[in-house]
Amino acid sequence: DVKVTQSSRYLVKRTGEKVFLECVQDMDHENMFWYRQDPGLGLRLIYFSYDVKMKEKGDIPEGYSVSREKKERFSLILESASTNQTSMYLCASSEDGSYGYTFGSGTRLTVV
Amino acid sequence: GDSVTQMEGPVTLSEEAFLTINCTYTATGYPSLFWYVQYPGEGLQLLLKATKADDKGSNKGFEATYRKETTSFHLEKGSVQVSDSAVYFCALVPSGGGNKLTFGTGTQLKVEL
Repeated sequence: DVKVTQSSRYLVKRTGEKVFLECVQDMDHENMFWYRQDPGLGLRLIYFSYDVKMKEKGDIPEGYSVSREKKERFSLILESASTNQTSMYLCASSEDGSYGYTFGSGTRLTVV
Repeated sequence: GDSVTQMEGPVTLSEEAFLTINCTYTATGYPSLFWYVQYPGEGLQLLLKATKADDKGSNKGFEATYRKETTSFHLEKGSVQVSDSAVYFCALVPSGGGNKLTFGTGTQLKVEL
């Protein structure tokens, strides 16, 4: 089975800190995605990547950046964390969208 | 643009009751349609999918039929269990390929004894 591993299940960070969320997949998928999940808003796409060093903005990229230096790893960066970035962050990968995505277990980030 | 609309929850049922969670979509052509499930504290898991009109996706007793005429993909299960308590998300990928999933807002299901 494809595995998508997110490095932390829970994180607590202070306002203004630089935060790195890491995601690794083990099935050589081309495509990787970062979503945030908030009650009542569902899942919203932050950034995605079709290939190494390639990235595209999703629906809510403001305040975030990403890095994909290796095919298996896709990092989400909060340059200066703010309280409104408190959320559940979900990473996913896919070979082809029509096959569906495989998700990681999520990172619940709290910014205080 | 593409969108997915799900019925609002929470939906509360007794064990062994029949489940329907409604999902309709807006998209051009023939998108691929999915249901994902999220158990408490976990990420999303693919439950079932359908890629063309009149296809029926099924898994773990859940079913959904791709209805092009009503642009719907309703999730059904004949007899729910307490272990089915979770949040269910309907999603689509546009026709012609592409990799971006568009999700509905999710429907929480609670099954009680």
